[in-house]
Amino acid sequence: DAMVIQNPRYQVTQFGKPVTLSCSQTLNHNVMYWYQQKSSQAPKLLFHYYDKDFNNEADTPDNFQSRRPNTSFCFLDIRSPGLGDAAMYLCATSRDPGRLNSPLHFGNGTRLTVT
Amino acid sequence: DQQVKQNSPSLSVQEGRISILNCDYTNSMFDYFLWYKKYPAEGPTFLISISSIKDKNEDGRFTVFLNKSAKHLSLHIVPSQPGDSAVYFCAASASGGGADGLTFGKGTHLIIQP
Repeated sequence: DAMVIQNPRYQVTQFGKPVTLSCSQTLNHNVMYWYQQKSSQAPKLLFHYYDKDFNNEADTPDNFQSRRPNTSFCFLDIRSPGLGDAAMYLCATSRDPGRLNSPLHFGNGTRLTVT
Repeated sequence: DQQVKQNSPSLSVQEGRISILNCDYTNSMFDYFLWYKKYPAEGPTFLISISSIKDKNEDGRFTVFLNKSAKHLSLHIVPSQPGDSAVYFCAASASGGGADGLTFGKGTHLIIQP
C-alpha cells in the first residue's frame, strides 16, 4: 500500500540536544508538510516543500529546520529542543494541491519527548 | 487567533443515532473544507471534503453541510457506529486544496455509546 511513514514513532531527546525526525512517502506526491500538534491543540503547520521549494510559516521558530533530499524523503531537524517542543510531529503529503479533492495524507506521527 | 473553531471538545452519542459535529471559521478566504478522523496513536485520515461552491456533500453515512453566510460547517454521521469513536478534526484551506497547508481546529472527541 502506498503510504506515508514516519520514524521513529517515539523519540526521546535531552534538552538542547539536536534531534532529527524522518518521513518517507511512496505516494510520489509533490508536496510534503510538517505539522506540530501539542496535547488537545490543533495541528499547526510548521513548513512545507512543494517539490524542492521550501515554504516556511511566518511563526515557525528558527530552531526548526527541514530538508528534502529527494521526492520520497523529508526531515525535520530541531537544533536545540526545549521542553516546549515536546509534541506529536505529523508529516503529510499532497499530490496536486491546486486541485480540489486532493487532501493531505498523514503519517502516524512521531511523539517527541524532551527531558 | 483561531481561524477554525471546534467548540465542543467531546461529544457522546448512542449507537445508531445521528452524530453532529460542528465547526466555525473566521477567514472568509477559505474555500475548501475537510474533515479528518484520528484514532489514538495514528495520524489523521481524510474523511470527507466540500468546496465553497457547494452546500452539501454526501459519502455513505457521512454528510458535510456548509453554510457560508454563517461561516459554519457540520459533519453528520448516521447511523453512528462504535468504530466511529475517534477525534474529528475540521480543516480549511484558502488555496482550493492545500497548497499552503490546512488550518485545523482543535478537534472533537466523538464517543459512541453501545
